[in-house]
Amino acid sequence: EPEVTQTPSHQVTQMGQEVILRCVPISNHLYFYWYRQILGQKVEFLVSFYNNEISEKSEIFDDQFSVERPDGSNFTLKIRSTKLEDSAMYFCASSETASMGQETQYFGPGTRLLVL
Amino acid sequence: AQTVTQSQPEMSVQEAETVTLSCTYDTSENNYYLFWYKQPPSRQMILVIRQEAYKQQNATENRFSVNFQKAAKSFSLKISDSQLGDTAMYFCAFMKEYSGYALNFGKGTSLLVTP
Repeated sequence: EPEVTQTPSHQVTQMGQEVILRCVPISNHLYFYWYRQILGQKVEFLVSFYNNEISEKSEIFDDQFSVERPDGSNFTLKIRSTKLEDSAMYFCASSETASMGQETQYFGPGTRLLVL
Repeated sequence: AQTVTQSQPEMSVQEAETVTLSCTYDTSENNYYLFWYKQPPSRQMILVIRQEAYKQQNATENRFSVNFQKAAKSFSLKISDSQLGDTAMYFCAFMKEYSGYALNFGKGTSLLVTP
């Protein structure tokens, strides 16, 4: 069964450093998403991406964040200058389209980011 | 903005019994989708069941079913014949149409299935 994959599974970085989190969505999916979950809290939407541009972003997704689909398979989330409060589990998700019946988002296993 | 409320932070059920997790939401939208996701200790988010708001019939997936009350803005999850593997955090989520398709999650209910 096709699945969303994410690398790395864990990332430790120093405050102020740049990190890139990678995701490979399900191959025939066209919509891509990033979410984060701070430990003990609910999952929060960061950004959705379609047709090589951002569809929607939340207030969390400020200028320190960017997303990119550098090739036909990868979808990345970059944090330019990490802060302590960026420590969280980051989930990538994808959906076939956003049409009725195909809107279900399938999640990857997550990348746990720890900023020291 | 839509809000999703899960009023039960923790629940416990014995194996083979039935349990219902509650979820309410607030929206002015008419067309939207509702989901229940499961997050076991491995932390991966797994889709349990989905419901389109335009459908009156409640969704069912094997042991999992929902009670969708659109007027009351309620979307509860019933787990029948609970199994130890059902132990997980359960998140209710809302998605409206035509706006980036962001999932808006509730705070979750931690379900423990005991032998």
